[in-house]
Amino acid sequence: AQRVTQPEKLLSVFKGAPVELKCNYSYSGSPELFWYVQYSRQRLQLLLRHISRESIKGFTADLNKGETSFHLKKPFAQEEDSAMYYCALSQTGANNLFFGTGTRLTVIP
Amino acid sequence: EADIYQTPRYLVIGTGKKITLECSQTMGHDKMYWYQQDPGMELHLIHYSYGVNSTEKGDLSSESTVSRIRTEHFPLTLESARPSHTSQYLCASSDPAGGRNEAFFGQGTRLTVV
Repeated sequence: AQRVTQPEKLLSVFKGAPVELKCNYSYSGSPELFWYVQYSRQRLQLLLRHISRESIKGFTADLNKGETSFHLKKPFAQEEDSAMYYCALSQTGANNLFFGTGTRLTVIP
Repeated sequence: EADIYQTPRYLVIGTGKKITLECSQTMGHDKMYWYQQDPGMELHLIHYSYGVNSTEKGDLSSESTVSRIRTEHFPLTLESARPSHTSQYLCASSDPAGGRNEAFFGQGTRLTVV
């Protein structure tokens, strides 16, 4: 069965420090991985997807099939990065997105 | 402006009442979804729809029902609300054309049954 694990419920870093939000998944096929973000009082929205291999707001995430991980990284955290981050997995072409429990990131000024 | 709307944002209601949570999207998407999220827990898919007159149950069993009479409208109904239904309900839509599977979410409805 598909499963997404985000081991950290809370993560605090200082402004300017590197940040890494961990995500591990279990899925026997070829998954499509996403990171969604929810800023305070805003709706859940897509941050980035692994197939795009893009950097959004300075964030990147690399799919590591050997370690079944899709960690989200940013070299220098900013205060506006404080938010709730969800890792999600989808089977290619399927209807569902399987979400992790989320990690609340706080960037300390 | 293309968007997805949920009403109400917050609802406090007594046990046994019938409630309908509204979800509408002006994005022209065929696929729509309802997720349920308890505090600190994963989002769980409870219903989805491929299009008009199509509804399917998701991975998490739910006593709620949905309908899809119009493309843009995907309401969720609880015939008799109970305290165990207290949760956040998120509606989403997507357009899988071109292989994309990005979901667009509404603001959510936080339901409290007392």
